[in-house]
Amino acid sequence: SSELTQDPAVSVALGQTVRITCQGDFRTYYASWYQQKPGQAPVLVIYGKNNRPSGIPDRFSGSSSGNTASLTITGAQAEDEADYYCNSRDSSGNQWVFGGGTKLTVL
Amino acid sequence: QVQLQESGPGLVKPSQTLSLICTVSGGSISSGSYYWSWIRQPAGKGLEWIGRIHTSGSTNYNPSLESRVTISVDTSKNHFSLKLSSVTAADTAVYYCARGIRVVVPAATNWFDPWGQGTQVTVSS
Repeated sequence: SSELTQDPAVSVALGQTVRITCQGDFRTYYASWYQQKPGQAPVLVIYGKNNRPSGIPDRFSGSSSGNTASLTITGAQAEDEADYYCNSRDSSGNQWVFGGGTKLTVL
Repeated sequence: QVQLQESGPGLVKPSQTLSLICTVSGGSISSGSYYWSWIRQPAGKGLEWIGRIHTSGSTNYNPSLESRVTISVDTSKNHFSLKLSSVTAADTAVYYCARGIRVVVPAATNWFDPWGQGTQVTVSS
């Protein structure tokens, strides 16, 4: 089982704001977030404190506090419907681990 | 920009060794401070980190796979490889390679970018 816990599924109305969370130890380490659409490789959307790679819309943002890291989509679009995964280090600090993923549905 | 491409057999027999290569283009695999990584995803399931090899040659593996995994680099061919021994049907998955980056300043974190497109490996007799 993963050391990072995500809700299996979340839904949001078109144009509304949604927060996808990841439970783990984020007191001294930031998570990274990936978007994966069916049949495609994951794509990095957020890394570090709140950094977006080139080409990622600014409606994507990240935050963390204590045991929770969050990915927020402000004004969700139909194309944001996808699986989202968080990533961080394990409790030993030597390995990396992914959360179980959250399936986002845009209604 | 850097691109990654996985290659290798799509079908492996049970108990044999799975071998994949990730070819790096657009940059040298031996420059910079990167963690060349393997990640897999069984059909309909989540991502599982397999392991990584640093530019320096040091490796780290997922404890659940460590006894069966070897990751190595061939700088002359600008690629890194994955070997997973004694495979079973549970190892059937899409296997991705990715470039990992880890920083400690200004804040500790890591991320994977870019990723290869992935390659399906099926373990079956």
